[in-house]
Amino acid sequence: DGGITQSPKYLFRKEGQNVTLSCEQNLNHDAMYWYRQDPGQGLRLIYYSQIVNDFQKGDIAEGYSVSREKKESFPLTVTSAQKNPTAFYLCASSISGGPNNEQFFGPGTRLTVL
Amino acid sequence: AQSVTQLGSHVSVSEGALVLLRCNYSSSVPPYLFWYVQYPNQGLQLLLKYTSAATLVKGINGFEAEFKKSETSFHLTKPSAHMSDAAEYFCAVTEGYSSASKIIFGSGTRLSIRP
Repeated sequence: DGGITQSPKYLFRKEGQNVTLSCEQNLNHDAMYWYRQDPGQGLRLIYYSQIVNDFQKGDIAEGYSVSREKKESFPLTVTSAQKNPTAFYLCASSISGGPNNEQFFGPGTRLTVL
Repeated sequence: AQSVTQLGSHVSVSEGALVLLRCNYSSSVPPYLFWYVQYPNQGLQLLLKYTSAATLVKGINGFEAEFKKSETSFHLTKPSAHMSDAAEYFCAVTEGYSSASKIIFGSGTRLSIRP
């Protein structure tokens, strides 16, 4: 079945550590996205990529980094510079970055900083 | 910049009653609009989208939404609520019209269904 997978489902991090969240899609989509979800705030865009080897900052990119070396993979690293990283992280993809293309979402990773 | 306002962070209805979730957007030109649903601890799933083909859009699970340009609204409705409809619902609008367009999400409305 085609879809988006995210791993791990739950992740615990000590303060000062970097962690990497995995996102893989087998939909052959060009565009991929990372969102952060906090209670009562909806989804906020962290980074997005329209094509392999290219990505752009979203609205809250500080403290995060990404890479897009393969079409199907878009990992997100939460660095120690992110002051409040505890949140639910969602990865999404769309066939392209066009305005009317729906985004397909993975099941999410819940990150907790201890 | 585009913005989306969802009125009511929590809506509670009885099973079998009408569901109405409100969404208003800010745009001076016809936008692309979406409704997504999120079940607990899961990702978002598309319910329906408006792309100017028709003002009344039918989606999955019996939901529909009507685009009203004069009111800048895109409210989501379902004639008869089911217990399985309990979830969080997000309205979203596209910002920009190029290949670099982004989706702006509302803050969400949690729908509860009373037996």
